[in-house]
Amino acid sequence: EAQVTQNPRYLITVTGKKLTVTCSQNMNHEYMSWYRQDPGLGLRQIYYSMNVEVTDKGDVPEGYKVSRKEKRNFPLILESPSPNQTSLYFCASSFAGAMNTEAFFGQGTRLTVV
Amino acid sequence: GQQLNQSPQSMFIQEGEDVSMNCTSSSIFNTWLWYKQDPGEGPVLLIALYKAGELTSNGRLTAQFGITRKDSFLNISASIPSDVGIYFCAGHPQEEINNAGNMLTFGGGTRLMVKP
Repeated sequence: EAQVTQNPRYLITVTGKKLTVTCSQNMNHEYMSWYRQDPGLGLRQIYYSMNVEVTDKGDVPEGYKVSRKEKRNFPLILESPSPNQTSLYFCASSFAGAMNTEAFFGQGTRLTVV
Repeated sequence: GQQLNQSPQSMFIQEGEDVSMNCTSSSIFNTWLWYKQDPGEGPVLLIALYKAGELTSNGRLTAQFGITRKDSFLNISASIPSDVGIYFCAGHPQEEINNAGNMLTFGGGTRLMVKP
C-alpha cells in the first residue's frame, strides 16, 4: 500500500530536549516536505527536499532541521524544542515536477512542548 | 510566502444542504488543489485543477479553477454526515513553477460541520 508513515503519532516533551520525528514514504517520490498545522493558519511549510541531499527552507523553518540521506526518509529534528513549537506536524511526499502535484500526507504527529 | 484566503472559516449546516467554499489570492496560481482532512488524519486530495476555467467533479464535489487564475471554489451537493472535516485549498504559485519544486501554499481551511 502506498503511504507516508510518520512516527510518533503523539509526543509530549519538555523544553530543550532534542527530538526527531521520522517520516518514510514507499512511493519512490523525489519531493518530500514538512508542514505544521495551527488553528486558523492552515498548513505552513517548514522545510522541503527535492531529492537526496537537497533540502531547502519553507515558510517557517526557524527552530527546525531536516536531513535527506535516503530517498525514502525525511526526518524532522528539533534541536531545542520550545512551547511555540507545540503543533500538529505533517510530512508529505510527491513526484517532482510542476505537473505531478498530488502530495500524499502522513497521518500527523501531535507534538506538545511543556 | 504566498497567501491564500479561504472562506468561510467554518460552516454548520443541515444534512442535505449544499455547501460552497472558496479561495482567493492576489497572485496567479498554476494549479489549484482541494484537500479534505478528517479528524485525526492527514489531508487527502479531493480534486486537482490545472487549467484556468477548468470545472471538475468528483461525485458530489465540484471545483473550478477561476478564469483569472487567482481563485477557486469547491461545492458539495447534498451534504451527508461523513462530509464533516476541514477542507483546504492549496496551489502552486506561478513564481514557483520555475523552481522545479512542488511548494504548495495552503489556505487556512474551512471547518465543515453537518447536523444529521
